[in-house]
Amino acid sequence: EIVLTQSPGTLSLSPGERATLSCRASQSVTSSYLAWYQQKPGQAPRLLIYGASGASTRAPGIPYRFSGSGSGTDFTLTISRLEPEDFAVYHCQRYDRSLWTFGQGTKVEIK
Amino acid sequence: QVTLRESGPALVKPTQTLTLTCTFSGFSLSTSGMCVSWIRQPPGKALEWLALIDWEDDKYYSTSLRTRLTISKDTSKNQVVLTMTNMDLVDTATYYCARLDRGYIQGAFDIWGQGTMVTVSS
Repeated sequence: EIVLTQSPGTLSLSPGERATLSCRASQSVTSSYLAWYQQKPGQAPRLLIYGASGASTRAPGIPYRFSGSGSGTDFTLTISRLEPEDFAVYHCQRYDRSLWTFGQGTKVEIK
Repeated sequence: QVTLRESGPALVKPTQTLTLTCTFSGFSLSTSGMCVSWIRQPPGKALEWLALIDWEDDKYYSTSLRTRLTISKDTSKNQVVLTMTNMDLVDTATYYCARLDRGYIQGAFDIWGQGTMVTVSS
């Protein structure tokens, strides 16, 4: 079973800075699907980015500062310039052959 | 507007069976491509996918929990039910239901319920 490992566990940044979050799969996911979610305290996750490996699409209403990239085993969520509302936990999620797997999450906190 | 809402007991005892209901609106589980899934999150921990049911009544389960889970749907009531047997302390978590539309966003959950917290304690 493929495991998703997110890094870093916590990212301390200031508003306006660029955030780069990593999601690494234990096996290549060349034919599967990768998504990113944002979760704020006490709230359900919100879909940010989705797409087949190597491609990513922003979910409706998601600002342009959020982008996803990667393929194979390494995937990245980039927030180009952090806004105050972006400080939250981010989860990656993979879908392949009727199994869904989540990473353990990366917390983006205010420095 | 698509909404989902989870309901069920807030407290269950070890070894008991948990039954959760997801009541949704704004879409139909008889529509091609529509699916509803259950996902849980222990306090301060990662999300864990549990089960999914689709418009054709096909069911998919987490490999590690499949022997304890049953997912079912009542299309006429717009409800999906999850049962989890032999509850343990480690099953304490917030349980979410979420929609997946294979015709739109194939592998991701685009709309989530607010979640329901279930505590396992004697």
